Amino acid sequence: QSALTQPASVSGSPGQSITISCTGTSNDVGNYNLVSWYQQYPGKAPKLMIYEVTKRPSGVSNRFSGSKSGNTASLTISGLQAEDEADYYCCSYGVSGTYGFGIGTKVIVL
Amino acid sequence: QVHLMQSGAEVKRPGASLKVSCKASGYTFIGYFIHWVRQAPGQGLEYMGWINSNSGGPTYAQNFQGRVTMTRDTSISTAYMELSGLKSDDTAMYYCARGRSGSSYFDYWGQGSLVTVSS
Repeated sequence: QSALTQPASVSGSPGQSITISCTGTSNDVGNYNLVSWYQQYPGKAPKLMIYEVTKRPSGVSNRFSGSKSGNTASLTISGLQAEDEADYYCCSYGVSGTYGFGIGTKVIVL
Repeated sequence: QVHLMQSGAEVKRPGASLKVSCKASGYTFIGYFIHWVRQAPGQGLEYMGWINSNSGGPTYAQNFQGRVTMTRDTSISTAYMELSGLKSDDTAMYYCARGRSGSSYFDYWGQGSLVTVSS
């Protein structure tokens, strides 16, 4: 399963909203509502932020939201805060029967 | 509370094999899958495969088929990932993560096991 395409970095000022895209194909993102998003701080394990495209686990801020259109999924962070500065990875189930991650996006809070 | 405790850092020679353990606690081990994901230094996440903790049946990502073996010991709630034929580009942090049967996401992660492959 090929890596999903994400922008290398996205930046925004505190309080703004940013959106990270995750582009796959009809073999993964476009065929299943099984996209999840993970936040990772340097030297730490990833943390689940969004699952099944739009669902938010208990304890995750409602400033994080997910969506999907065609072969592209998106993670939106509203009311950007300094603590949101981290790497973000999307992940999708695919027709291969396994999963694939995006290449990762570094969120920079200006 | 759910906790996945992984084995410690290792240094391996090229051509050797590695075996990482992942001990689960705080939930019913056989009710969930264990997934394995690795991350080379400064790189992104790479999915390796999963094991059904109940049946023991593994599913491997294509990139690792033939070189990876995932097993579990239900008596001690521990999953294992063994990778053979190590090369320098297998140097990475290896993570285990919990997944619910029928789900598509990984809700709890281990702390990671750093494996360095060097002659």
